Amino acid sequence: NAGVMQNPRHLVRRRGQEARLRCSPMKGHSHVYWYRQLPEEGLKFMVYLQKENIIDESGMPKERFSAEFPKEGPSILRIQQVVRGDSAAYFCASSPLALITEAFFGQGTRLTVV
Amino acid sequence: GIQVEQSPPDLILQEGANSTLRCNFSDSVNNLQWFHQNPWGQLINLFYIPSGTKQNGRLSATTVATERYSLLYISSSQTTDSGVYFCAVVRDNYGQNFVFGPGTRLSVLP
Repeated sequence: NAGVMQNPRHLVRRRGQEARLRCSPMKGHSHVYWYRQLPEEGLKFMVYLQKENIIDESGMPKERFSAEFPKEGPSILRIQQVVRGDSAAYFCASSPLALITEAFFGQGTRLTVV
Repeated sequence: GIQVEQSPPDLILQEGANSTLRCNFSDSVNNLQWFHQNPWGQLINLFYIPSGTKQNGRLSATTVATERYSLLYISSSQTTDSGVYFCAVVRDNYGQNFVFGPGTRLSVLP
């Protein structure tokens, strides 16, 4: 059973471009969580999704950020018109039930905006 | 919102030394976990410990929920223990998201 897979591991975007970050949960996991880690800081919750539903997006910036977890395929975190302040590591976690304490984290995608 | 503090922010140890990391939180929680982020950025779940004491090899953790703190003990430290240690809590009746502390950066020197 492979772990939570995130790709790409590293992503470089120019200001104004779009960034798409993918997260494939562990087999049998239908709950996905996204966190952002700014340089030298702890992780901050962004959004919690279940298949085809956004359960909690209280940590998502109001503009330019969106997330989805379709019935088939990985969860996608999309950042439109990236700015330098979006440079961070983005972690995804998945769990089989609605319990974050049962979640496993992926290795993260490191986004650099130049 | 809930405040999670960790101390010390940085710690340098000689290999073989012991250490204690602390996590304080400002509100009642129903879950608490300790994570280790290694130098390659990977997050590893160390302990799920909302209360009581647990041990796993050279690591152990204690949470006193009524006093709103948790301690992580590392004994006979090794260079592979280097990295950042995060404490993360889930607030009572506040959904399914972790609030992470700022971390303790540990460097173990050979």
